[in-house]
Amino acid sequence: QVQLQESGPGLVKPSETLSLTCTVSGDSIGRSGHYWGWIRQSPGTGLEWIGSIYYSGSTYYNPSLKSRVTISLDTSKNQFSLNLSSVTAADTAVYYCARRNNFDYWGQGTLVTVSS
Amino acid sequence: EIVMTQSPATLSVSPGERATLSCRASQSISTNFVWYQQRPGQAPRPLIFGASTRATGIPARFSGSGSGTEFTLTISSMQSEDFAVYYCQQFSKWPITFGQGTRLEI
Repeated sequence: QVQLQESGPGLVKPSETLSLTCTVSGDSIGRSGHYWGWIRQSPGTGLEWIGSIYYSGSTYYNPSLKSRVTISLDTSKNQFSLNLSSVTAADTAVYYCARRNNFDYWGQGTLVTVSS
Repeated sequence: EIVMTQSPATLSVSPGERATLSCRASQSISTNFVWYQQRPGQAPRPLIFGASTRATGIPARFSGSGSGTEFTLTISSMQSEDFAVYYCQQFSKWPITFGQGTRLEI
């Protein structure tokens, strides 16, 4: 059974960097052919893809966030991470991690609030 | 960027009735497409992959069709647990994009 679990601070100050980690069990993030992605959902709104990372380390980002986003893999811990810099209140959202580009497995999501 | 447009934004149906949701892509995406269901406070749950293949554990009352730019999700007989928000998503080209959602209400 594949499971993903997001972790990280629930509160981030404006202008700081939001950092989240997704821990994967039941699959290997280094498995050939797999993508791993981050999606967010602002309160009461729809879903926004943030970016994805291929098992090889290649990254793909939403153009609207590209200048502020970094996604990385840690194969030793079977984790992948999201860094979003220079956050504002508009980055307040539930952040999800998911497997593949058809997002067949999702984490439960973690609410990150940007506030001083 | 491929824009995914869902219609209607809200659909009011009664339990037992049939519900039909639509999603249109701004350019052809073949069947690189997924339907999701999202209940309040939960993560989205995949329903249909590749436009017509039900995900594991999804009841047979859910069916999908379409290819190219036009896709349809049909719920043959609405159950109480089906009242939720439904999203479509394409992964044919970067950036991955979602539709804005269709809310199914009683």
